[in-house]
Amino acid sequence: GAVVSQHPSWVICKSGTSVKIECRSLDFQATTMFWYRQFPKQSLMLMATSNEGSKATYEQGVEKDKFLINHASLTLSTLTVTSAHPEDSSFYICSARPRWGTSYNEQFFGPGTRLTVL
Amino acid sequence: DQQVKQNSPSLSVQEGRISILNCDYTNSMFDYFLWYKKYPAEGPTFLISISSIKDKNEDGRFTVFLNKSAKHLSLHIVPSQPGDSAVYFCAASGGGSEKLVFGKGTKLTVNP
Repeated sequence: GAVVSQHPSWVICKSGTSVKIECRSLDFQATTMFWYRQFPKQSLMLMATSNEGSKATYEQGVEKDKFLINHASLTLSTLTVTSAHPEDSSFYICSARPRWGTSYNEQFFGPGTRLTVL
Repeated sequence: DQQVKQNSPSLSVQEGRISILNCDYTNSMFDYFLWYKKYPAEGPTFLISISSIKDKNEDGRFTVFLNKSAKHLSLHIVPSQPGDSAVYFCAASGGGSEKLVFGKGTKLTVNP
């Protein structure tokens, strides 16, 4: 089946530092990858949509200069949280849509990354 | 403004009985609906979906019902098993967009 991995699975950093999270589709090529954020007991909120080789499209209210997304290849997208602050602490989840996907359900999720900013 | 609402944060049922999880939406442009299951510290996994041209879709123990006039869908799990205990998210998409809009989730506990 289609597997998406994320690295790291959890990270603790100091306020003001930057953190990079990787999202990889392990056994398929993804035309589109999505980045979500989930606060406790809240829904998954879409942050941005990234397509390989082009700039990411950010949702309203998401700072593109703070959350840098790079979709360098068909199997890798990275999210960098720059100058992280405690309010950025959250669970970040990526998903990938296969090249062969034609229906909306074909979006496979990674296991998520727990970010804690001290 | 929440476009997808799951008003019950939690549900507890006995093993073997039916679990009914509900979801309401407000956006008339939504034409595709999905249910995802999520365990703690893991990403969501796809369960079942339904297009707006249907009112029912069944896959094994899971059935999703869609009532377009009421903008309401429900997920039925029969019979419920302890392994079904997880958080269930309702998601919707539409208007030609591949983006998914999620509800807040309902935590299902199936007691042995």
